[in-house]
Amino acid sequence: EVQLVQSGAEVKKPGESLKISCKGSGYSFTSYWIGWVRQMPGKGLEWMGIIYPGDSDTRYSPSFQGQVTISADKSISTAYLQWSSLKASDTAMYYCARHDSFLEKGGFDTGYQPAYWGQGTLVTVSS
Amino acid sequence: SYELTQPPSVSVSPGQTASITCSGDRLGDKYACWYQQKPGQSPVLVIYQDTKRPSGIPERFSGSNSGNTATLTISGTQALDEADYYCQAWASSNVLFGGGTKLTVL
Repeated sequence: EVQLVQSGAEVKKPGESLKISCKGSGYSFTSYWIGWVRQMPGKGLEWMGIIYPGDSDTRYSPSFQGQVTISADKSISTAYLQWSSLKASDTAMYYCARHDSFLEKGGFDTGYQPAYWGQGTLVTVSS
Repeated sequence: SYELTQPPSVSVSPGQTASITCSGDRLGDKYACWYQQKPGQSPVLVIYQDTKRPSGIPERFSGSNSGNTATLTISGTQALDEADYYCQAWASSNVLFGGGTKLTVL
């Protein structure tokens, strides 16, 4: 059974740094992309980016490029989402998700979709 | 940039059929999938690659995608289907989500 277990809720002050984690089990961690999705209070889902733990290839949504860092430690099957300087607007629930790949219609490119989700990590940033 | 548009809310009576739409430019040329999210829970994939159901998802959930519109259909809707539903597609090398639709069963 695929399981993604995320680290616990965090309360931080603006300007502080933070690294949250997501440990995968029940599958080959190095063979699937794993990524992060933000959900601000009362709002929809926003894709942040993905990493391939096998070689650490990382892709970011343009909206989050430069704002966060996605990393992974394949030796312990864990992915991370990191901020160097938090803002109040980073307050949200953050989900990790294993992404499955598929051949796009037309058969030329590979697409990705979140298929299995962690339980979420609530990050609250407040002075 | 590419956008997916969903109606904010849909209402359905128990036992009836609910249809939730997701619109995007030539969306039918891409694969669409759907997620169900109940309050306080993580999203769950209910339809992928337009029409496929993951293991454990009831047969009353089905999907279609043609032209500019993907549709999630829930036949014989039950009270436990009340949730937010999000469509998603892969476009411009990004995972894109629709804004979400709140399904009310009343």
